[in-house]
Amino acid sequence: DIQLTQSPSFLSASVGDRVTITCRASQGISSYLAWYQQKPGKAPKLLIYAASTLQSGVPSRFSGSGSGTEFTLTISSLQPEDFATYYCQQLNSYPFTFGPGTKVDIK
Amino acid sequence: EVQLVQSGAEVKKPGESLKISCKGSGYSFTSYWIGWVRQMPGKGLEWMGIIYPGDSDTRYSPSFQGQVTISADKSISTAYLQWSSLKASDTAMYYCARTYSSNEPFDYWGQGTLVTVSS
Repeated sequence: DIQLTQSPSFLSASVGDRVTITCRASQGISSYLAWYQQKPGKAPKLLIYAASTLQSGVPSRFSGSGSGTEFTLTISSLQPEDFATYYCQQLNSYPFTFGPGTKVDIK
Repeated sequence: EVQLVQSGAEVKKPGESLKISCKGSGYSFTSYWIGWVRQMPGKGLEWMGIIYPGDSDTRYSPSFQGQVTISADKSISTAYLQWSSLKASDTAMYYCARTYSSNEPFDYWGQGTLVTVSS
C-alpha cells in the first residue's frame, strides 16, 4: 500500500493567515492526489483533485500543488469557516489511501 | 440534484450480522463507482473498497478484504456494506461516496451511518 503522511498534524492559526499543509507519499503517485475538508459531524468535502484542480464551487483561496511524492494544500487567507480537518488521498493505486489528517484550529 | 442517502444508525451486539445501505439519486447510478469509507471515533478516514454498480466490479482494501462485503442492486440504485459477524472494533461511522472513475476522487458523499457494536 502507498502510505501518506501529512504535516503538521495540527496547526493553530488566525483568520487571515496563509496556511500550508504538506502531504508526502511513500512512492511516486504522479498527480493522483486529492484534498478533502471535514468539519465535525459532517461528511468530507472534496476541495482539490489531480493535485491542483479546484473542485467546482470551492473558493479560490484554496489551492494545491505538487507531483510525484510531495504535495501542498494552501489556504491563502484563512476564513472562519475553514477551521476543520484536512485529508489528502492518493488515487494512483489500490487501495486509495488517505493521509492521517491535519486539524486546523483557531489561535 | 445528486444525493446519496444512507440508512440509519445501528446498534448491534458482537457476532451479529448487519447490512447498511446507500441509495443514489439524481444521476445515472450505473455510470459511477460507489466507495465505502470508515471513520472510527476520533480517527481519520480509511478507504474500504469500491464497486461499479453497472457490472458489480468490486475492489477491496487488503485491510478489509474478507471482513466486509460490498454489493449493489442497480435496479433500486442502492449499494450495500455488510458484515457477517460484527466485532466491537467495527464501531465507527461509515460513509458511502461516488466517483466517476475508480481512480478519481469522491465528489459526493452520503451523510454517514453510525454503527455501534457493544455487548
